Amino acid sequence: QSALTQPPSASGSPGQSVTISCAGSSSDVGNYNYVSWYQHHPGKAPKLIIYEVTKRPSGVPNRFSGSKSGNTASLTVSGLQADDEADYYCCSYAGSDNLVFGGGTKLTVL
Amino acid sequence: QVQLVQSGAEVKQPGSSVKVSCRASGGSFHNDAFNWVRHAPGQGLEWMGRIVPMFGTVTFPQRFQGRLTITADEFTSTTYMELRSLRPEDTAVYYCAREDYDFWSGDYTFYYYMDLWGKGTTVTVSS
Repeated sequence: QSALTQPPSASGSPGQSVTISCAGSSSDVGNYNYVSWYQHHPGKAPKLIIYEVTKRPSGVPNRFSGSKSGNTASLTVSGLQADDEADYYCCSYAGSDNLVFGGGTKLTVL
Repeated sequence: QVQLVQSGAEVKQPGSSVKVSCRASGGSFHNDAFNWVRHAPGQGLEWMGRIVPMFGTVTFPQRFQGRLTITADEFTSTTYMELRSLRPEDTAVYYCAREDYDFWSGDYTFYYYMDLWGKGTTVTVSS
């Protein structure tokens, strides 16, 4: 499976909103509602922030939201805070119990 | 509180093998699946595969065929990832991550997301 396509970087000022895209295909993102997003601060374990396209695990602020249209999923972070600065990865089910990640997006809070 | 405790950093020669462990403490091991994900320098996360300890079944992408073995020991609640014929491009941080699944009528359905991760094991392949 090919990696999902994410922009390498995104940025926004505190309090603003930013949206990160995750482009796949009809073999993964477009065919299944099993897209998840992970926040990764360097040197720490990745953290699940969105699963099944739109759902938030307990404890994740509602500033994080997910959506999907066709073969592209998106993560929106609203009310940006300094601690949101991290790498963000999307992940999708790709059939036959396989998973595929995106290349990651480095979010900078200006 | 469940934690995934991984083994320490490794430095390996090209062509050798590495075996990384991941012990689940404080919770159920028997009813979970465990994934392995790696993060090479300057690259994105890469899914390497998954094991269901209850059944011993393993799934991984074709590109790792012949080089990767994932096993589990239910007595010690530990999963292992062994990668052989190491190349410099295998240099990465290797993570284990838990995934839930449902078992029903002789079959299981994964949740396809990972809700708990280990802190990672750095593997460096260099001569």
